[in-house]
Amino acid sequence: RKEVEQDPGPFNVPEGATVAFNCTYSNSASQSFFWYRQDCRKEPKLLMSVYSSGNEDGRFTAQLNRASQYISLLIRDSKLSDSATYLCVGRGGSYIPTFGRGTSLIVHP
Amino acid sequence: SAVISQKPSRDICQRGTSLTIQCQVDSQVTMMFWYRQQPGQSLTLIATANQGSEATYESGFVIDKFPISRPNLTFSTLTVSNMSPEDSSIYLCSVVGVMSEKLFFGSGTQLSVL
Repeated sequence: RKEVEQDPGPFNVPEGATVAFNCTYSNSASQSFFWYRQDCRKEPKLLMSVYSSGNEDGRFTAQLNRASQYISLLIRDSKLSDSATYLCVGRGGSYIPTFGRGTSLIVHP
Repeated sequence: SAVISQKPSRDICQRGTSLTIQCQVDSQVTMMFWYRQQPGQSLTLIATANQGSEATYESGFVIDKFPISRPNLTFSTLTVSNMSPEDSSIYLCSVVGVMSEKLFFGSGTQLSVL
């Protein structure tokens, strides 16, 4: 079983919609979590860190639930430019990052 | 965030040849990693580049095929040896900064093997 699991999608939503992605992790020792965004044929770029207390950055909200071992990303008021693949990442005691397979988001007019 | 320069950005190579990819960071970093991303797939960790010693390889990757050097804290190379079409992929250098737990990526090397 993969350590970090994501629904690959694609999620196909209209502009202005709210969309949520979940990611589950199996390694309870994982300490740090992040969401990355990857555009086609580009490198992943850090979107935001994820904390148990929640982390909000404009239209984006990330949440960590340690008891249930999942993290979430909520995107409000979706824009066409939000279309990308969103990668969930966990890091444990070894500090080696583990990536989920990514969730594809398509925002259409 | 660290600024990472990865070269070459792309290359087309013949079967049986080798390609060395360079990764230069503008500041000292604690950890450097090499990833591979095949079309439509997520990132797969090849190895952790260790300064001044042999890299730590993940299952399925070996030093003879993917020799890695890291002579100092800011520079590393990955060589893809004796290439075959199955090695066609994007190769990504990534780093963790000294005062950060966040992972940053180079722009990637898109490799096509004929």
